Order: sequence, then C-alpha cells, then structure tokens
Amino acid sequence: DVKVTQSSRYLVKRTGEKVFLECVQDMDHENMFWYRQDPGLGLRLIYFSYDVKMKEKGDIPEGYSVSREKKERFSLILESASTNQTSMYLCASSRQNSPLHFGNGTRLTVT
Amino acid sequence: TQLLEQSPQFLSIQEGENLTVYCNSSSVFSSLQWYRQEPGEGPVLLVTVVTGGEVKKLKRLTFQFGDARKDSSLHITAAQPGDTGLYLCADNTNAGKSTFGDGTTLTVKP
Repeated sequence: DVKVTQSSRYLVKRTGEKVFLECVQDMDHENMFWYRQDPGLGLRLIYFSYDVKMKEKGDIPEGYSVSREKKERFSLILESASTNQTSMYLCASSRQNSPLHFGNGTRLTVT
Repeated sequence: TQLLEQSPQFLSIQEGENLTVYCNSSSVFSSLQWYRQEPGEGPVLLVTVVTGGEVKKLKRLTFQFGDARKDSSLHITAAQPGDTGLYLCADNTNAGKSTFGDGTTLTVKP
C-alpha cells in the first residue's frame, strides 16, 4: 500500500513564525500536492509538483511556498504564519492521471 | 472553473437504513472519484468511474455515473456505524489535479 506520511499530526505556532510542514511518500509517485481543508470550504489546492524541483501554484498559494528537492519529499512553508492559516493541511501523492493518496493531515493552529 | 456540488451537506440516519448522496458538476467530468474521510484521517479512495452510465458496486455501496458524465450518486444499503464519515466526490483532470466537492457528512447511529 502507498504510504503518505506527514511529519506532525498537530502543530501550534505563533503569529509571524516560519512554519515547515513535511510530507514523504514511499511509492515513487511523480505528483505531490498540498491542500488545506476548512469547514464549509472543502479541500482547496495550495501548491502541487509534477517532478523534483518543479512547483505549480494551486488555487490559494498566497502566503505559502513549497520545496521539492527529492522525489519522495514535498514541504509546505508558511513564511510568516497568520491566524487565517489555522487549518487542516493534507498532503497527497499520485501517479500521472491517477487518484490521490492522502496523508492523515496536520492540524495547524496559529495563535 | 469547475464547481462540484454535493447534497445533502449533512445526513444523520439510524443503523440499517438506506441512503443516497449526490454529486453534480458544472462541467463534464474527466474522471470521477469518490473518497471517504473518517474523523482525524485523510480521505481514502473508494472508487473511480470514467464511463457515462457506469455502475460500480463495493459491498453495500453502489456508485452510479450519469449518462452525460456530469452527475453521480452513491447509494449505501443497510448503513452501519462504520460508514460514518465525510464523503467527497472529485474530478481528476488530465493535468493530474483534482477538484473536490464540499462533501456530505454522514452519521450512522447505532
């Protein structure tokens, strides 16, 4: 089975801090994605990557950046965390044109 | 921009009842997926449907894809508490990205 591992289940950070969310997949998938999930707003795509060193903006990239230095790892970076970035963050991976495999999520609270 | 509408938003039923949830798209689906997300977990793929009119069964779950490939339904027979969760439909485009509906939150009471 594909395993997508997110480094933290829960994080609490202060406003203005730089925050790193890490995601690792073990199935050699080309594609990796970061979504955030909020009540009433569903899953919204932040950034995605089709290959190492490549990144594409999703629907809500503002306030975020990403890094993909290795195929198996995709990091989401909040340069200066704000309270409106409090959310559930979901990482996913997939082969080309195939469904997504999700991690268990990181619930981030920014105070 | 494609919009996926799911209904109902919330559904609470007793164990043993049947139910149907719906997913409607503003445009033709490329490839429709249904996922289930349990509390505290990430979404897990249930099924992929591609062909208009397609029907797939997964134990007590029956998935139907509309002939015009713009709508889908998920029917659960004799619901059990283990079916509780958020049911999400999604379209996986040729670019590899997925667009999600807001989901139906199902609660099955013992």
